[in-house]
Amino acid sequence: GESVGLHLPTLSVQEGDNSIINCAYSNSASDYFIWYKQESGKGPQFIIDIRSNMDKRQGQRVTVLLNKTVKHLSLQIAATQPGDSAVYFCAERYTPLVFGKGTRLSVIA
Amino acid sequence: DADVTQTPRNRITKTGKRIMLECSQTKGHDRMYWYRQDPGLGLRLIYYSFDVKDINKGEISDGYSVSRQAQAKFSLSLESAIPNQTALYFCATSDAGSSYEQYFGPGTRLTVT
Repeated sequence: GESVGLHLPTLSVQEGDNSIINCAYSNSASDYFIWYKQESGKGPQFIIDIRSNMDKRQGQRVTVLLNKTVKHLSLQIAATQPGDSAVYFCAERYTPLVFGKGTRLSVIA
Repeated sequence: DADVTQTPRNRITKTGKRIMLECSQTKGHDRMYWYRQDPGLGLRLIYYSFDVKDINKGEISDGYSVSRQAQAKFSLSLESAIPNQTALYFCATSDAGSSYEQYFGPGTRLTVT
């Protein structure tokens, strides 16, 4: 499958601020992307997905933005809380999924 | 009770030993997966199974084998463990209709000395 990568391996954010986690993909034909969250000591957990016919999708405190022109997507977390501290993975739809390497988000109290 | 369980949760074994990691699920999903996680390398797929009679190699299947004993059970075996198989192993499941939403177990930390 094509590579899915993240711009930064770590991100530190002050509690209450917004977080932005970025992800680049290389396959322009990719039509579906998924974000997972992995808390320390646990398995990854599905957060939100987005199809390529959308530019934006909102969930509870999270928003995914997709820019197909530059093959980039981002996960925005509003009012970041300590419980948001985790590693975040973007994944690109293949059968089966191809995961990126992950970005570790640390929330500073 | 957890929907996806893995046993053991931690295991230390010696080089050359055969070891089996087990995964069970109560979600009723047809699809099951085994991943390996190493620091800085993310999640890499070892094997996956779309139903009881289906087994497929993933990105890094060498040195591993699997058995899908039932819809709910998918085991991973290391025939002759080596130190570079030291890693965190995850089992996951998904429904056939939404196979990109995967449900992960808690992981098995394996150390090969």
